[in-house]
Amino acid sequence: AQTVTQSQPEMSVQEAETVTLSCTYDTSESDYYLFWYKQPPSRQMILVIRQEAYKQQNATENRFSVNFQKAAKSFSLKISDSQLGDAAMYFCAYRSRFTGANSKLTFGKGITLSVRP
Amino acid sequence: DSGVTQTPKHLITATGQRVTLRCSPRSGDLSVYWYQQSLDQGLQFLIQYYNGEERAKGNILERFSAQQFPDLHSELNLSSLELGDSALYFCASSVGTGGTNEKLFFGSGTQLSVL
Repeated sequence: AQTVTQSQPEMSVQEAETVTLSCTYDTSESDYYLFWYKQPPSRQMILVIRQEAYKQQNATENRFSVNFQKAAKSFSLKISDSQLGDAAMYFCAYRSRFTGANSKLTFGKGITLSVRP
Repeated sequence: DSGVTQTPKHLITATGQRVTLRCSPRSGDLSVYWYQQSLDQGLQFLIQYYNGEERAKGNILERFSAQQFPDLHSELNLSSLELGDSALYFCASSVGTGGTNEKLFFGSGTQLSVL
């Protein structure tokens, strides 16, 4: 079974600064997807960024980028130019890519990010 | 707005009771997933339905059951409720069953409080 670990329960960043959220995972599979989801106070789960394990290039979405280290099974999220609206809980998640696998997501415990004005 | 609708948004009930949570997937999505988010367990996958049939099962208690109807909406039934069942229950939907480019779209959840 796959596991996802987010060891930092909370982080804080100054507005306009950069912050990195850490995530490690464990799997015996070679092909999979990794995700970062954002959950603001509204509780809505919002997809921030997705990485395919077979791609060596790190995914980027505007101010959000990842550092994907497949051998180390590490998947960190970097938020640049942090904004007050980035304050939320962030979840790292894993999904198998094998044909026939369901779209079940395995989530980490999450990290609460606060942004200081 | 994800297009996934969950009702009710909040539900307060007593131990031993039974409740039904409802989810309407995005138009065109055939899969519905149920997740439970609690402080101690985090986000846990409960069950998935695809086009009316159960597709995958996760950490779902025997007191819980779900179904997906012909119009593709889904209901999660929770019975003999215990204090520990208090949680945020999410529904998500996707087009298929796990294709390479599939995305999951989440509803805003139903907050269940068991008193």
